[in-house]
Amino acid sequence: GQSLEQPSEVTAVEGAIVQINCTYQTSGFYGLSWYQQHDGGAPTFLSYNALDGLEETGRFSSFLSRSDSYGYLLLQELQMKDSASYFCAVRLDNYGQNFVFGPGTRLSVLP
Amino acid sequence: NAGVTQTPKFQVLKTGQSMTLQCAQDMNHNSMYWYRQDPGMGLRLIYYSASEGTTDKGEVPNGYNVSRLNKREFSLRLESAAPSQTSVYFCASTLTGLETQYFGPGTRLLVL
Repeated sequence: GQSLEQPSEVTAVEGAIVQINCTYQTSGFYGLSWYQQHDGGAPTFLSYNALDGLEETGRFSSFLSRSDSYGYLLLQELQMKDSASYFCAVRLDNYGQNFVFGPGTRLSVLP
Repeated sequence: NAGVTQTPKFQVLKTGQSMTLQCAQDMNHNSMYWYRQDPGMGLRLIYYSASEGTTDKGEVPNGYNVSRLNKREFSLRLESAAPSQTSVYFCASTLTGLETQYFGPGTRLLVL
């Protein structure tokens, strides 16, 4: 079976930095993606790592260590609008057809 | 561009009723997906379609059927709805081999 683990909840204050971790055990691995979902909304793509290392996109960065089956999403200069759920997702095959998502981390940003 | 659209937005069914959820995309994507989302369980893949005319089972296919009608449209059918199928259903699409999945707004289904 496929298993992804994330913390269920994280709380931080505006302006702070927060890290959301994701560990995985899957039958295949071709990349780790991150999605953001606001309450009542649809998931939206944030970031993707296929190789080890850090990828930076504005205030958001994502890291991957394939040897540790571990990745994280780093959010800097937190804003109230960052309050949302964040999901990691593993691509299981080479053609990008099959994905498995983690249970999600709910981030609350306090004033 | 409308992106990914889904109909209906909300639906209430009685146990044993059938219905079809519709999904369409106007981004010329090859791959399309159906997910369900339950509280605390993230998104679970029901079925996916790598191209027109092909479909494959995901993690939780039991109780569902799909049709890839053409490149734009991918429908999900519940033949005999059960309360366990109460969930939010999301359709998504992507260009084959790429990472970014674009999601529709979702269909909220309640089975009584």
